[in-house]
Amino acid sequence: AQSVAQPEDQVNVAEGNPLTVKCTYSVSGNPYLFWYVQYPNRGLQFLLKYITGDNLVKGSYGFEAEFNKSQTSFHLKKPSALVSDSALYFCAVRDIGQAGTALIFGKGTTLSVSS
Amino acid sequence: EPEVTQTPSHQVTQMGQEVILRCVPISNHLYFYWYRQILGQKVEFLVSFYNNEISEKSEIFDDQFSVERPDGSNFTLKIRSTKLEDSAMYFCASSVPGQGSTEAFFGQGTRLTVV
Repeated sequence: AQSVAQPEDQVNVAEGNPLTVKCTYSVSGNPYLFWYVQYPNRGLQFLLKYITGDNLVKGSYGFEAEFNKSQTSFHLKKPSALVSDSALYFCAVRDIGQAGTALIFGKGTTLSVSS
Repeated sequence: EPEVTQTPSHQVTQMGQEVILRCVPISNHLYFYWYRQILGQKVEFLVSFYNNEISEKSEIFDDQFSVERPDGSNFTLKIRSTKLEDSAMYFCASSVPGQGSTEAFFGQGTRLTVV
């Protein structure tokens, strides 16, 4: 069965510092990996995805994520955090093969960026 | 920018009543989904829908739930007899066809409160 783990409930970082939000996954085959962000009382916004190719993918708002197959990880990163990045971040995985199949989400990590 | 829209934003219903949550997916998308998020918990997949039929559903999506695309634009989730534990934020999402590589775009959600 597919699963996603986000080991940190909360990540605190000072504005201007680099941030990392961790994600590990488990799938039976090769994964499609996604990051979404949720602001209070809002829906989920797509940030970036890994499908194939370069292990470092870049997405919206200066975020990037590194796919590491041997460690089954897909950590979200940003070189310099902004206070406006404070939100709930979800990692999600989908097993390669079938379109329309479920995204399996992690429990989410709250990112708090202090000024 | 096209977006998924959901109505109502908040619905309060009495236990045992039927509710219908409505969604208008992005117009050129062909896969439609419902997810839910119980307060403080992770986002859970309910069902996916393609070509006028369910393509995948989770264990949560039991006989109390049904989905329908009544016309060319709306996608609905019906809960026949609501229970207290159905209280959650329900998200509709849609995506273009693809081999699982396409991201899902989420609506703002409907907060369902069962009293």
